Amino acid sequence: NAGVTQTPKFRILKIGQSMTLQCTQDMNHNYMYWYRQDPGMGLKLIYYSVGAGITDKGEVPNGYNVSRSTTEDFPLRLELAAPSQTSVYFCASATGMSPEAFFGQGTRLTVV
Amino acid sequence: EDQVTQSPEALRLQEGESSSLNCSYTVSGLRGLFWYRQDPGKGPEFLFTLYSAGEEKEKERLKATLTKKESFLHITAPKPEDSATYLCAHGGSQGNLIFGKGTKLSVKP
Repeated sequence: NAGVTQTPKFRILKIGQSMTLQCTQDMNHNYMYWYRQDPGMGLKLIYYSVGAGITDKGEVPNGYNVSRSTTEDFPLRLELAAPSQTSVYFCASATGMSPEAFFGQGTRLTVV
Repeated sequence: EDQVTQSPEALRLQEGESSSLNCSYTVSGLRGLFWYRQDPGKGPEFLFTLYSAGEEKEKERLKATLTKKESFLHITAPKPEDSATYLCAHGGSQGNLIFGKGTKLSVKP
């Protein structure tokens, strides 16, 4: 039972570098989400998708981009990394019938 | 603005010492109240969903209850393995979850 898989688990980036956080799910869920979690703060929604080819902004989308070409994959792109993007990133998926979501193990990103 | 507020921020219990975690919410139309458990270095793990005031759900030593303004997570006779951060969230209009900051629970043997 793989569920939601995120790669990499850890990454250090220099300011201005770019990277893609990978997320894949094997539950055939239509809804997928990217959240970030900062120390002492609740998880904040970055982007979400309700199905292949459909994405929309969440609460904190600036500095990020997403795409959804398949049901399984929902990568998150950081184009010009900034120290403010140092955080733990979680990908999640849900059926869409309920917001009950299944989360990946997270990617801890540090921008220096 | 929809909000979720959890208290206390941290709670230390002795093994076997029962207690409750609080989650208060302000939302125009509740789309479900969710409880998750998060262990260090892991993603949140789903525990319960509640939809109606008066609803209760149980799982092992945990029981979640819901009123019109609050939800409680009751922990009965906790064990050290119950130590974790417990997150409360309500369903957002985008099909997402709106989270509180969590309560970090430590249970000492």
